[in-house]
Amino acid sequence: DQQVKQNSPSLSVQEGRISILNCDYTNSMFDYFLWYKKYPAEGPTFLISISSIKDKNEDGRFTVFLNKSAKHLSLHIVPSQPGDSAVYFCAASADDNTGKLIFGQGTTLQVKP
Amino acid sequence: NAGVMQNPRHLVRRRGQEARLRCSPMKGHSHVYWYRQLPEEGLKFMVYLQKENIIDESGMPKERFSAEFPKEGPSILRIQQVVRGDSAAYFCASSPGLAGAGRTDTQYFGPGTRLTVL
Repeated sequence: DQQVKQNSPSLSVQEGRISILNCDYTNSMFDYFLWYKKYPAEGPTFLISISSIKDKNEDGRFTVFLNKSAKHLSLHIVPSQPGDSAVYFCAASADDNTGKLIFGQGTTLQVKP
Repeated sequence: NAGVMQNPRHLVRRRGQEARLRCSPMKGHSHVYWYRQLPEEGLKFMVYLQKENIIDESGMPKERFSAEFPKEGPSILRIQQVVRGDSAAYFCASSPGLAGAGRTDTQYFGPGTRLTVL
């Protein structure tokens, strides 16, 4: 039962262009969503989050959009840089006093110079 | 201003041995989470602990796995009688606690321990 899905295993983008990573979820109890970036042999690094009371959150080159009716969120990176090449994980949590995160399978982003 | 520390970074065990993985949360963080990542998969929640308490262990296998977060010292994930299927990357995350109205704050991850069972 995959409650958080990232349907694109990989994405390749040219440097300077926009990268759009997508994530879908099935559990309507999720109300907090996060994006993490992961390099090989390292732990996930927190990028940006969004609460379900918002539909957009922006931090520098990173913007997360949330469409609750569609149970869909996306991460936009603009402009993309070669250093952004990594695996990106979408994660979600419910307000159940546990805070445990449910992760998607990840999308590997390659930004070509 | 150290982040989440995990050791060892790499651990090799033979089948039937015990594995102990350690996690020191970020300074000021009282909540610890353990996740496991199998090859080509996302991270899967295992257990959530606060000091001296297991809050949620719904992701832990019922046998051979245990976790603790003592009053003093790091959190320990212990795997007894390891099998080849336990080979994975084990990540610890910490958070400061509740950000309000039951909401747990953002979790920050350590570098992970890569367990290989021969």
